[in-house]
Amino acid sequence: AQSVTQPDIHITVSEGASLELRCNYSYGATPYLFWYVQSPGQGLQLLLKYFSGDTLVQGIKGFEAEFKRSQSSFNLRKPSVHWSDAAEYFCAVGAGSGGYQKVTFGIGTKLQVIP
Amino acid sequence: EPEVTQTPSHQVTQMGQEVILRCVPISNHLYFYWYRQILGQKVEFLVSFYNNEISEKSEIFDDQFSVERPDGSNFTLKIRSTKLEDSAMYFCASSETSGNTIYFGEGSWLTVV
Repeated sequence: AQSVTQPDIHITVSEGASLELRCNYSYGATPYLFWYVQSPGQGLQLLLKYFSGDTLVQGIKGFEAEFKRSQSSFNLRKPSVHWSDAAEYFCAVGAGSGGYQKVTFGIGTKLQVIP
Repeated sequence: EPEVTQTPSHQVTQMGQEVILRCVPISNHLYFYWYRQILGQKVEFLVSFYNNEISEKSEIFDDQFSVERPDGSNFTLKIRSTKLEDSAMYFCASSETSGNTIYFGEGSWLTVV
């Protein structure tokens, strides 16, 4: 069964600083990997996804993530954080085929942005 | 951009009462899902639904839970007799026949008192 580890429960960064959120996954085959963001009281918004091809994927809001098979990692990065990025970020791995996806989420990393 | 919509956004119910959470998936999607997130915990898979039947369910999805697609647009989750531990945010999601991405709704926050 697949699993996801997000080792940082809470991260604080200064506005304008760079950000990296860590994610490690466990899955027997080539994974489908996702990052979702959840603002307080809101739903889960897809930031980006990796299925195959280029291991550096670009997402919305200036985020990117890099798939490293050798490290079983899919870390999320942003070069310059904005106050509006404060939210909870979930890494997830999907198992399925075609359109069907069963997604397993990590525990989430809560991002606080300070002035 | 098409989105998954859920109602109600928040419901408070007494223990033992039946609750129905409603979802309108994205119109050309054929796979439907329910997930839940207990406060402070992971988002967990509950059930998936395709071609008018359950395709997969988790251990959490016991006999108290049921899903239905009563018409061509709605997808519902029913909890027959709610317990305190059912208090959670329930997310509906849907995906199409290809593309490998599921899209989540805004969630329905259920509080059982």
